[in-house]
Amino acid sequence: AQRVTQPEKLLSVFKGAPVELKCNYSYSGSPELFWYVQYSRQRLQLLLRHISRESIKGFTADLNKGETSFHLKKPFAQEEDSAMYYCALRAETSGSRLTFGEGTQLTVNP
Amino acid sequence: DAGITQSPRHKVTETGTPVTLRCHQTENHRYMYWYRQDPGHGLRLIHYSYGVKDTDKGEVSDGYSVSRSKTEDFLLTLESATSSQTSVYFCAISEGGRTDTQYFGPGTRLTVL
Repeated sequence: AQRVTQPEKLLSVFKGAPVELKCNYSYSGSPELFWYVQYSRQRLQLLLRHISRESIKGFTADLNKGETSFHLKKPFAQEEDSAMYYCALRAETSGSRLTFGEGTQLTVNP
Repeated sequence: DAGITQSPRHKVTETGTPVTLRCHQTENHRYMYWYRQDPGHGLRLIHYSYGVKDTDKGEVSDGYSVSRSKTEDFLLTLESATSSQTSVYFCAISEGGRTDTQYFGPGTRLTVL
């Protein structure tokens, strides 16, 4: 079975500093990886997916199959980036189902 | 926001009572999901549906049942609520396919005393 691990429950940085949210996974096949974000009092929403190879709100994430990681990065954090971030994996055999990590609460201080 | 609503949004109940949560969508998406969100555990899939009357278990299905009698509604029932089922419950929907994306409802906060 697949598993997603986010080692940091809480992450605090200052505005303008770089930020990296870690995501590691275990899965023997070829996964599809996602980052979802939940801002305060808002719904959980998709931030980005690795197959799109896009940058959303300044965030990027690269799938590293050798290290089985999908870390989320932003060079200059903003206060509005404060939110709960979830890494998720879709396995080849899971159909549409996702497996989520435990989540990382990011706080960007002024 | 995708057309997903959940009801009720908040509920307090007592141990042993039955509870039904409703998820309603206006997007005509094929797939619907129920998750629970708990600190330290993230989101865990309870049950999901891949069509009317077609449902399957997720990773934490014990103590929960679901029904989907029409495309737009997906019901989650706690037959006899326990304190361990105190949580925030999220419904999600998706179309399926290669670029499938799950869209989430606003959540239901359930407290079992």
